[in-house]
This record gives sequence, structure tokens and C-alpha cells, in this order.
Amino acid sequence: QVQLVQSGAEVKKPGASVKVSCKASGYTFTGYYMHWVRQAPGQGLEWMGRINPNSGGTNYAQKFQGRVTMTRDTSISTAYMELSRLRSDDTAVYYCARRDIVATKYYFDYWGQGTLVTVSS
Amino acid sequence: DIQMTQSPSSLSASVGDRVTITCQASQDISNYLNWYQQKPGKAPKLLIYDASNLETGVPSRFSGSGSGTDFTFTISSLQPEDIATYYCQQYDNLFGGGTKVEIK
Repeated sequence: QVQLVQSGAEVKKPGASVKVSCKASGYTFTGYYMHWVRQAPGQGLEWMGRINPNSGGTNYAQKFQGRVTMTRDTSISTAYMELSRLRSDDTAVYYCARRDIVATKYYFDYWGQGTLVTVSS
Repeated sequence: DIQMTQSPSSLSASVGDRVTITCQASQDISNYLNWYQQKPGKAPKLLIYDASNLETGVPSRFSGSGSGTDFTFTISSLQPEDIATYYCQQYDNLFGGGTKVEIK
């Protein structure tokens, strides 16, 4: 069965970086984009960007350009999201979610369990 | 950028009631509109894709309709386990603001 398993909760100081992992299983890793979506406490869902695990190509939301880096390791079917220069308003649950590389399938059918990142001095 | 306006932001209904949520896009998005359910402390779950297609395993009391700019999500008979926040999402990955559904 399809599973996306994320790394555990993190506590970081302002200005630091955090790297969250998302290990995929149960499907062909290179056949699906991996997207990252975050949710601040009590707030809605915010799309951060995506990576094509096949090519390594990325697209980032303008808001995060210059601060986010998405990578992957196809040998272990794992995607990573690194966010730098953390601020207190980056405190959120970060989710990975897969989306089919087929051009007309625009939905996220499986999600990771979420990783809470807390930014506090 | 395409903007998504979801309403209402919250609603309270009785068990068995019909519940309707709307999502409006700022420009034509064809039928590329999806609906998710999120329960507290959990990841979102896909319910409806491409405006009206029920994801496998999702109860038939959930449905979606619409195309172009105006979309509707309906729970035909609200159940206690449907208490959650519902989000629409368009093809360019933008989400609506969410609708919190509570039991009256």
C-alpha cells in the first residue's frame, strides 16, 4: 500500500534551517511529483512547491523562493524539503503529498502524516 | 494568479442535514477542482477530484459539482464522523480558505 512517512518533529531557533524528509513506499517513486504543503496553527493549507523525482526539477511558490530547497534521493525513495532562515511564523505542520505526473491529474491522493516544525528562541 | 473564494468559513448543522459548501475561482479552471477533508491533527484526505469524481472508498453521501468558476461540495446527510474542515483546491495547487463543519 502507498505510504508517505515523514521525519519527526523539530524545534529550531530563528535564523536556523530545517530539513524534513518524506519516505515513499508502495509505488514507483519517480512516477509522481512530490509536493510540500504547510499549515500554521489554526490556519489553512499553503502550497510551498514541488519536485519531480524523475528529473529533480523543482517549482517553488514565490513566497518561498530563495529560502526553500527541495531535493530527492531516488535510491531510497525519499524526498526532502529544507527551509532556511527560519522565522517564528514558519512554525507549522509540514506535509508531503504526491501528485501523478500525468498532466491532467491535479490532485493529491496520498499525504504524509505531517511534521511539526516549531521555531522559537 | 487564480484566487479561490470558499464559503462559508464555518457552519453548524444537525445530523442528517444536507450541507453545501461553495468554491469560486477568479478565472475559468475547467473542472480542475478538488475537495479534501481534514480532521483535527490529521493530514488532509482527498474526497472529490476533478469537480465531481468520488475518490475510491469515500462514502456516497459526499458529492461535488460545477465547472468553470463555480463549484459546490455537498454532504447529503451529515454524520457525526463528518466533523472536519473541508478545503477546495485548484489545479495550480492553491487551496481555498477552508470550511469548518460542526454539529449543532
